Amino acid sequence: GENVEQHPSTLSVQEGDSAVIKCTYSDSASNYFPWYKQELGKGPQLIIDIRSNVGEKKDQRIAVTLNKTAKHFSLHITETQPEDSAVYFCAAMGSNDYKLSFGAGTTVTVRA
Amino acid sequence: DAGVIQSPRHEVTEMGQEVTLRCKPISGHNSLFWYRQTMMRGLELLIYFNNNVPIDDSGMPEDRFSAKMPNASFSTLKIQPSEPRDSAVYFCASSFLIGYNEQFFGPGTRLTVL
Repeated sequence: GENVEQHPSTLSVQEGDSAVIKCTYSDSASNYFPWYKQELGKGPQLIIDIRSNVGEKKDQRIAVTLNKTAKHFSLHITETQPEDSAVYFCAAMGSNDYKLSFGAGTTVTVRA
Repeated sequence: DAGVIQSPRHEVTEMGQEVTLRCKPISGHNSLFWYRQTMMRGLELLIYFNNNVPIDDSGMPEDRFSAKMPNASFSTLKIQPSEPRDSAVYFCASSFLIGYNEQFFGPGTRLTVL
């Protein structure tokens, strides 16, 4: 099955700085890569996703890049704000099934 | 829309008891997923349904776990008998279509088995 690794496990940034989270996956057939944000006591919520036919996607302060050759993808948050503090999960879905495999999560803390 | 609805939000039970978790997906969504979240194992997919039919239950840890979806607006996850190691947060999620579509998660049920 798919194995997704995520780094770092914790990330502390000054408000206004950028945050980068990196993930690698094992199954070269995977072709859908969503990112979820989970706030305390809530379920994960999709913030951005990318498909394998696209190398980069941006939505306001959030961007995701994908390198299929190297089998890694990254989340970039610019101009971080206190409300960006949360746990972020990357995930990968293969083309043979429709199961999402999640990374272990990154706890992001934005210091005011 | 109210989003995915789960009940109860919290459940505390004793080892050996039967536990039933409930989920109402977003109206019009055709796929439903049950996940379990623990510190040790992270977010794990237990089972998913498409058009009320179980498609893949390979993530269900043991025969003590069972899930049903009798209609498009209701699903249950049952644990019988429950054990302390089943303590976790259980999430239900739904999506409009199976595949590369956003999964909308419910608020979760925090289960504690004493």
